[in-house]
Formats: sequence, C-alpha cells, structure tokens
Amino acid sequence: QKEVEQDPGPLSVPEGAIVSLNCTYSNSAFQYFMWYRQYSRKGPELLMYTYSSGNKEDGRFTAQVDKSSKYISLFIRDSQPSDSATYLCAMSLYNQGGKLIFGQGTELSVKP
Amino acid sequence: NAGVTQTPKFQVLKTGQSMTLQCAQDMNHEYMSWYRQDPGMGLRLIHYSVGAGITDQGEVPNGYNVSRSTTEDFPLRLLSAAPSQTSVYFCASSYQQGVYEKLFFGSGTQLSVL
Repeated sequence: QKEVEQDPGPLSVPEGAIVSLNCTYSNSAFQYFMWYRQYSRKGPELLMYTYSSGNKEDGRFTAQVDKSSKYISLFIRDSQPSDSATYLCAMSLYNQGGKLIFGQGTELSVKP
Repeated sequence: NAGVTQTPKFQVLKTGQSMTLQCAQDMNHEYMSWYRQDPGMGLRLIHYSVGAGITDQGEVPNGYNVSRSTTEDFPLRLLSAAPSQTSVYFCASSYQQGVYEKLFFGSGTQLSVL
C-alpha cells in the first residue's frame, strides 16, 4: 500500500463548478501537507500548504486537513479552464531536506 | 533569477549507456533533490542533499548516483541505463521558511531508454 493515495482521475467538470480533490495517507507522523499544480510538460508548482489539521483559504482555493481521518482535500470554487492541470498532494515530516511523499496526481479538465 | 535549471530537456539513450542530468539553482537553497515521475506513480524521490558534500538516498535510488560539490549544482548520474529508467526527471531545490519547506521544481528532463 502506498503511503499516500490519490485518485488519478481524469476528472472533467464544466466551467464554474466546485471541484473537490482528495488524498488519504497512512503515516500519522506527517505534519505538513501541500498541494502542487502541474501544467502539461512543466514542473510542479506549489499551490497551497497547511500545517496539521484545519482549513486554509487562498482566493478560490481551500485546503482542508483532517488528521484524525488521515484525509486531505483541495476545493476549487468557480473553476476556470485555466485550472486544467494535474494536482498533486504532498506530505512531509519537519525539515526533511526536500523529502516529500507525493500522491499519484489527479488530472483535472475544466470545460468552457 | 533563473530558479532551477535542468538540462537537457529531452534525451534518448540506448540500454547500457551512461549519462548525467544537470541541475543548477541560483536561489542559494541548501536543499536539493531529484524526483522521477511515471504515469500512475506520482513523483518518487531518488536522492536528496541537505547541503554541499551531503547526500542521501530516497525511495528509488538504485541505478543512480549523485554528488553535491557546490550549493548550486546537483547532477544525477545514470550509471548503466535500463528501459525501466525511462521517465521524466525533476530536480528541486528548497528552503525552510518557518515550519514550512517550500520546493521549487525545474521544468524536467524527459528520458527514453531503448
């Protein structure tokens, strides 16, 4: 079993829809949770990060962490065609020198 | 600033050949790492470095070597290429900001081993 599980999709939604992306994990020691966005043929870029349980909002994006259930989510409100990308969740312990554990990534397509 | 620069962008090798993937960063980050990305597997850590002269293995280190002689450069060497090493390779550099570690990725090297 992988440490981090993420449904690879693909997920296709109409423009303006609310998108929910999710990951589950098995290592209860993870403290830091991140979402990366990767456009086709590009490197991943950090979208959001959260520490421990709770919610964090940044514009149309909300990251949610439930450590008791070992479950994290990313919500995208009012989705746009420019949000079409692969979204990867990632997790780590503290100060790991670049050691992140990634999910498989979910491919999202937002149709105009 | 250029950020994280990877070369080459594309490479085709024959089984058994060796090569070096180059990675350089100009952000003075202490941490650097190499990941490979395969369909359905996400990103998997190959090797990482917490500073010049210090390297360690990640999840999938077999068949790869690294060294870190300077803060800026972190090359990845394929010793004897195998078809299983066909993948997209990403180099990243990172720093610690408070409790968060922020990774910055290069644009990737697409490698095919025939």
